[in-house]
Amino acid sequence: EIVLTQSPDTLSLSPGEGASLSCRASQNVDSRNLAWFQQRAGQTPRILMYGTSRRISGIPDRFSGSGSGTDFTLTISTLEPEDFAVYYCHYYGGSSWTFGQGTKVEIK
Amino acid sequence: EVQLVESGGGLVKPGGSLRLSCVASGLTFSNMWMGWVRQAPGKGLEWVGRIKRKADGGTTDYGAPVKGRFTILRDDSKNTVYLQMNSLNTEDTAKYYCGSGWGTFDYWGQGTLVTVSS
Repeated sequence: EIVLTQSPDTLSLSPGEGASLSCRASQNVDSRNLAWFQQRAGQTPRILMYGTSRRISGIPDRFSGSGSGTDFTLTISTLEPEDFAVYYCHYYGGSSWTFGQGTKVEIK
Repeated sequence: EVQLVESGGGLVKPGGSLRLSCVASGLTFSNMWMGWVRQAPGKGLEWVGRIKRKADGGTTDYGAPVKGRFTILRDDSKNTVYLQMNSLNTEDTAKYYCGSGWGTFDYWGQGTLVTVSS
């Protein structure tokens, strides 16, 4: 069973700053099956990226994804007020899907 | 516009059963994989399971905490996916989200709350 570990648990930043969120898998995973979700407070999660680096239609280009093997990163180039939320990485390959525990991006 | 609407949540005693439903609209249901994700109060997302579309075999897979207790079924004629939950315990208390997609959870419902308590 693949375990995804995200770091840090919480990121305290100011609007306008950049953010780098890490997701580490317990074993090599297929990068085609790695996604990122955003969940704003009190809202339903929504998908941002799939296949590690493919943005969903409508997601701003300040969001980018990268990585391979066991290490993946979600980068937000310049934080907007609406980006303060919890972010989850997600592996959807094979027969056992999983989510990371989440990284909260909060206003400093 | 794609809509997923869950129902069937509520209060159930430990050891009890509950069946959740999720009705989909705005998409070609038979082409989609369907699944369930849950979120305990104040906690993160946990994958419950998913069912492939019939063209891919219609098979199911489940997360370890629910395997053997939960069953996912789909009725393509009703655009509906079900989550049958048996032998519920307090750790199953969560909001349960229905999701659908071609690869993973491209679309989400608003969720239905399940509370397991005596």
